[in-house]
Amino acid sequence: ETGVTQTPRHLVMGMTNKKSLKCEQHLGHNAMYWYKQSAKKPLELMFVYNFKEQTENNSVPSRFSPECPNSSHLFLHLHTLQPEDSALYLCASSLDHRSSSYNEQFFGPGTRLTVL
Amino acid sequence: DAKTTQPPSMDCAEGRAANLPCNHSTISGNEYVYWYRQIHSQGPQYIIHGLKNNETNEMASLIITEDRKSSTLILPHATLRDTAVYYCIPISSGSARQLTFGSGTQLTVLP
Repeated sequence: ETGVTQTPRHLVMGMTNKKSLKCEQHLGHNAMYWYKQSAKKPLELMFVYNFKEQTENNSVPSRFSPECPNSSHLFLHLHTLQPEDSALYLCASSLDHRSSSYNEQFFGPGTRLTVL
Repeated sequence: DAKTTQPPSMDCAEGRAANLPCNHSTISGNEYVYWYRQIHSQGPQYIIHGLKNNETNEMASLIITEDRKSSTLILPHATLRDTAVYYCIPISSGSARQLTFGSGTQLTVLP
């Protein structure tokens, strides 16, 4: 596989469930990102990892817990979510988030999450 | 970060050129203009970027005015698959920057 993949593509969960979203990139990048896109709203950056270290957390509630075991994999662990957390969750990667020049971000197809 | 203004929606006939404008009158000297697009229910896709010279790649052309206060993305021969939301994003070089997506322009290519 090439590019950025995300699984599952669709997820329905109850508010008491625990689930995880997975992202994998095959581009040799060192930075990975989680974004949230709610209906009719712009993309919101959630977390940034650079060389496996979290470098940004945009005031995301603790019910969202990211994990980056290596530069190729990124997880988003979900627990006790609310219905307003229903959204498209997008993963992206780039060469190096702290490079002196901006590196284009490559996005996965997203996971459509519905919280009941 | 520079603010951008894009029309909320545009239509274009299939096979014709689509010209998508973006106003970024507060852009600073070290900010590049990046364009991304997002097809419905997919992740955003990088299209092109430029600083002050016009740029062209296999997807599109980017025309930046001499004063850099505005730019136009040109899809020379629009197809139905180009229907998407197009985002114009100023990004500065020299430091780590994150993408900040505005509302973009919904381009609808009509058969």
